Amino acid sequence: DGGITQSPKYLFRKEGQNVTLSCEQNLNHDAMYWYRQDPGQGLRLIYYSQIVNDFQKGDIAEGYSVSREKKESFPLTVTSAQKNPTAFYLCASSIAARGGETQYFGPGTRLLVL
Amino acid sequence: GNSVTQMEGPVTLSEEAFLTINCTYTATGYPSLFWYVQYPGEGLQLLLKATKADDKGSNKGFEATYRKETTSFHLEKGSVQVSDSAVYFCALSDRIQGAQKLVFGQGTRLTINP
Repeated sequence: DGGITQSPKYLFRKEGQNVTLSCEQNLNHDAMYWYRQDPGQGLRLIYYSQIVNDFQKGDIAEGYSVSREKKESFPLTVTSAQKNPTAFYLCASSIAARGGETQYFGPGTRLLVL
Repeated sequence: GNSVTQMEGPVTLSEEAFLTINCTYTATGYPSLFWYVQYPGEGLQLLLKATKADDKGSNKGFEATYRKETTSFHLEKGSVQVSDSAVYFCALSDRIQGAQKLVFGQGTRLTINP
């Protein structure tokens, strides 16, 4: 079955620690995205990547970093510079990023701060 | 910038009731419009989409029509079921640096009572 997997489902971060969220897709999609969801709010774009070895900042990139070394993988690192990291993180992908294409979402990772 | 405004929730209905969730948007150009659904603890699933004015998207008994004159994309269902309980997000596609991003409304929580 094709789809998007995210791991872990729950992640705990200590103060000053960097943590990495995994996102893998086997849909052969070129474009991948990371969104953050806070309670009672819509999703906000953190980073996106249109193609391997290229990525761009979204609306709330501060305190986050990404890499896109393989087409199927787009990991997100939440750095210690992100002062309010507690949220639900969603990864998505689409065939391309030209416009109008459907984005398909993974099941999400919930990040909590200890 | 482009934005999406959804009807505030929560919305509570009885089974077999008629559902409307209002969505209006502000956009330059002609974005594609989407409805996504999120079940508890899960990622988002595409419910339906419309890519141009007067298009009607439909899926699982849900419908929405792209109304350019009223900049709206209201979600409707004639007879809801308990299994429809979820959070519903309206979104539009926006262009950034030649790529696409989704702009989401804040979500509407729907609860259906038996």
